[in-house]
Amino acid sequence: DAGVTQSPTHLIKTRGQQVTLRCSPKSGHDTVSWYQQALGQGPQFIFQYYEEEERQRGNFPDRFSGHQFPNYSSELNVNALLLGDSALYLCASSPGGLNTEAFFGQGTRLTVV
Amino acid sequence: GENVEQHPSTLSVQEGDSAVIKCTYSDSASNYFPWYKQELGKGPQLIIDIRSNVGEKKDQRIAVTLNKTAKHFSLHITETQPEDSAVYFCAASPSNDYKLSFGAGTTVTVRA
Repeated sequence: DAGVTQSPTHLIKTRGQQVTLRCSPKSGHDTVSWYQQALGQGPQFIFQYYEEEERQRGNFPDRFSGHQFPNYSSELNVNALLLGDSALYLCASSPGGLNTEAFFGQGTRLTVV
Repeated sequence: GENVEQHPSTLSVQEGDSAVIKCTYSDSASNYFPWYKQELGKGPQLIIDIRSNVGEKKDQRIAVTLNKTAKHFSLHITETQPEDSAVYFCAASPSNDYKLSFGAGTTVTVRA
């Protein structure tokens, strides 16, 4: 049973560019959440997708957008990259509903130069 | 929104000793409290969680306690081993919220 998988593992982008990160949830999970983890800090919630809709959003600008596909996989898109967007981006999958166990992928390390 | 504070930020223990990490939360509606372990270069791994209808939960060498009145919860690791060295995060989630609010993390080092 595959866990949560994310791609790519590392990425280097130039300021102003756009990036797309991908996530496949754990088998049996229909909900995907995205978190940003800056160096030395705890993960910060970006948004959650359920039934192909954004169900809840954290305090992130509109430059951050996402999508969920019918097979429950998800993408995170970030436009007009800033140096401050450099971070580890984590995808978490859960079986849906409130206060359910969330399982994280290994993350995508994004460096903006 | 929910605010989670975690202490200490770093913790060094001798192998075989116990380690305790404490967290406080602000939202009295929070009812789900997971703990994650993050090793270098990896994503957070869920190690134990507790819900507000339970005061204590144990899984082998790991235990978590919850005090709803004081709004704090703690992780206890007994008989620490070198493989317990990692960054540990506490998190909280209110009953009407889909997101997890994380503490800033505790770097645990187990000395051989």
